[in-house]
Amino acid sequence: GENVEQHPSTLSVQEGDSAVIKCTYSDSASNYFPWYKQELGKRPQLIIDIRSNVGEKKDQRIAVTLNKTAKHFSLHITETQPEDSAVYFCAARTVPNNNDMRFGAGTRLTVKP
Amino acid sequence: SQTIHQWPATLVQPVGSPLSLECTVEGTSNPNLYWYRQAAGRGLQLLFYSVGIGQISSEVPQNLSASRPQDRQFILSSKKLLLSDSGFYLCAWRAGDFNFSPLHFGNGTRLTVT
Repeated sequence: GENVEQHPSTLSVQEGDSAVIKCTYSDSASNYFPWYKQELGKRPQLIIDIRSNVGEKKDQRIAVTLNKTAKHFSLHITETQPEDSAVYFCAARTVPNNNDMRFGAGTRLTVKP
Repeated sequence: SQTIHQWPATLVQPVGSPLSLECTVEGTSNPNLYWYRQAAGRGLQLLFYSVGIGQISSEVPQNLSASRPQDRQFILSSKKLLLSDSGFYLCAWRAGDFNFSPLHFGNGTRLTVT
């Protein structure tokens, strides 16, 4: 089955700096890669997703890049703000073969004001 | 719009007691439904998923079970809780008729087994 690894486990940046979180996946058939943000004590919420037919996707300060050959994808947050502090999870799924979503272990991002 | 309800929000149960967590989805038909568990400070572990009424796929053999008695209802159960069952339980749904649909999570149930 799919295995998703996420790095780093913790990340601390100064407000205004950029943050990058990386994930690798094992199943070359995986073709859907969402990212979730989970604030303390709350549910994970989707912030951006990308399909395997796209190399990069942006939404304001957030971008995701995908390298299918290397089987890794990354989340980029620019101009970080204290409210970006949270745990971020990457995930991978093989559409339409699998109905499950495999998650990385998470990255705790702290943005220092 | 679609909404997902999960209850209770918090639960404290003694070891050996039964468990029943319920999740319902509104505003959609034939959703795919999921139960995840999150240990403190850890990632999301898939427990069960369901693509239709009465259809349950299990990812972990433990002392937990799931049922889907109605199209938009998903129940997580245990006959006898263990200390290791403590955690944050999240129900989630996604549109079953759109392959690239993302997961949408409920607010979760924080279970403490004492």
